[in-house]
Amino acid sequence: AQSVTQLDSQVPVFEEAPVELRCNYSSSVSVYLFWYVQYPNQGLQLLLKYLSGSTLVKGINGFEAEFNKSQTSFHLRKPSVHISDTAEYFCAVSEVAGGTSYGKLTFGQGTILTVHP
Amino acid sequence: DTAVSQTPKYLVTQMGNDKSIKCEQNLGHDTMYWYKQDSKKFLKIMFSYNNKELIINETVPNRFSPKSPDKAHLNLHINSLELGDSAVYFCASSQETRSDTQYFGPGTRLTVL
Repeated sequence: AQSVTQLDSQVPVFEEAPVELRCNYSSSVSVYLFWYVQYPNQGLQLLLKYLSGSTLVKGINGFEAEFNKSQTSFHLRKPSVHISDTAEYFCAVSEVAGGTSYGKLTFGQGTILTVHP
Repeated sequence: DTAVSQTPKYLVTQMGNDKSIKCEQNLGHDTMYWYKQDSKKFLKIMFSYNNKELIINETVPNRFSPKSPDKAHLNLHINSLELGDSAVYFCASSQETRSDTQYFGPGTRLTVL
């Protein structure tokens, strides 16, 4: 069974500062990895995903993440945050078997990013 | 145009009642999902359907029954509502079970009194 741990429940940061949101996963098989963002009272929106290939993945809104297989991590980064980045961020994994994702996403507990002026 | 829509957005009801939440997607996707987000914001999959066929059924009480009249719709019916059912329920869809990007609806906040 797969599991996801987001190491920080809350991350406060000042505007224009860099930020890293940490995510570790556990799985006995290959996985696909995702970061979703949830703005207040809204649904989830995909930020970026890792399926295969280059371990550095770039997403929307200037975010990027790096897949580290040896450390089973998929940390999310942004070099300079804006007030509008204030939201909750979820890391998720989907197990791959034979190159096919079954579609079951397992989510981490979420990290609340608060950007202060 | 809304890609994945849910109705209602808010649902307040008494314990013991039966209620339904509707979900529709206009993306032409083959697979649809229901997730539950509890008060601690923890998201957990409940069901998924592919072309109206149930493919994922997590450990969910029998009081919850998904129904897919066609591949664009996946409704969630809940019988004998309990206090612990209070949560936000999200519908999602993806191109097919092989796809890796799920598109989420805005959520339905269910409050059981």
